[in-house]
Amino acid sequence: SQTIHQWPATLVQPVGSPLSLECTVEGTSNPNLYWYRQAAGRGLQLLFYSVGIGQISSEVPQNLSASRPQDRQFILSSKKLLLSDSGFYLCAWDRSLLRPQGEQFFGPGTRLTVL
Amino acid sequence: AQSVTQPDIHITVSEGASLELRCNYSYGATPYLFWYVQSPGQGLQLLLKYFSGDTLVQGIKGFEAEFKRSQSSFNLRKPSVHWSDAAEYFCAVGAGNNDMRFGAGTRLTVKP
Repeated sequence: SQTIHQWPATLVQPVGSPLSLECTVEGTSNPNLYWYRQAAGRGLQLLFYSVGIGQISSEVPQNLSASRPQDRQFILSSKKLLLSDSGFYLCAWDRSLLRPQGEQFFGPGTRLTVL
Repeated sequence: AQSVTQPDIHITVSEGASLELRCNYSYGATPYLFWYVQSPGQGLQLLLKYFSGDTLVQGIKGFEAEFKRSQSSFNLRKPSVHWSDAAEYFCAVGAGNNDMRFGAGTRLTVKP
């Protein structure tokens, strides 16, 4: 069966510090991968998605970046965090080339607090 | 692009009462529709999905949803709510191109 991991589970960082959140998927190959941010009381905002190694699409311009160094690894980064980067970050995957569109499977999330 | 509206930010129901959470979508073609549930501090879990066929779909945990094309709606229902159903519920619409749009969510509180 497939599983998706995110770490760390919680993170408190000062403004201006760097960020690296990691997401890995097990039990499948060539997944589509997604990073979402969920601010308090709001829905999910898609930040990045990737359909393959080294292929990143950005939905919202910001000081965050994403990378996919391996097929089942997706990393969210920042060189300098802002207060507005606080939120709950969710990684998700779905099966590529699946028609009709399949559901996305979500990781447990990372709670980021920027002080 | 497709979009989703969940008109109710917060709903409170008594345990044992029936539940209906509203979802309206905007999309020019036949959408792919989903309902997810999120417990506090957790990821999202799929409750049910609609792609085609029977417009009344059954999901996990006793939930069901009905697709009404004429109303552009996909409302989630449960005949009798349990205290463990307290969570946030998200409706989502997909356009078949890896583009999934989520509603803002409805937070459900269950009174004893």
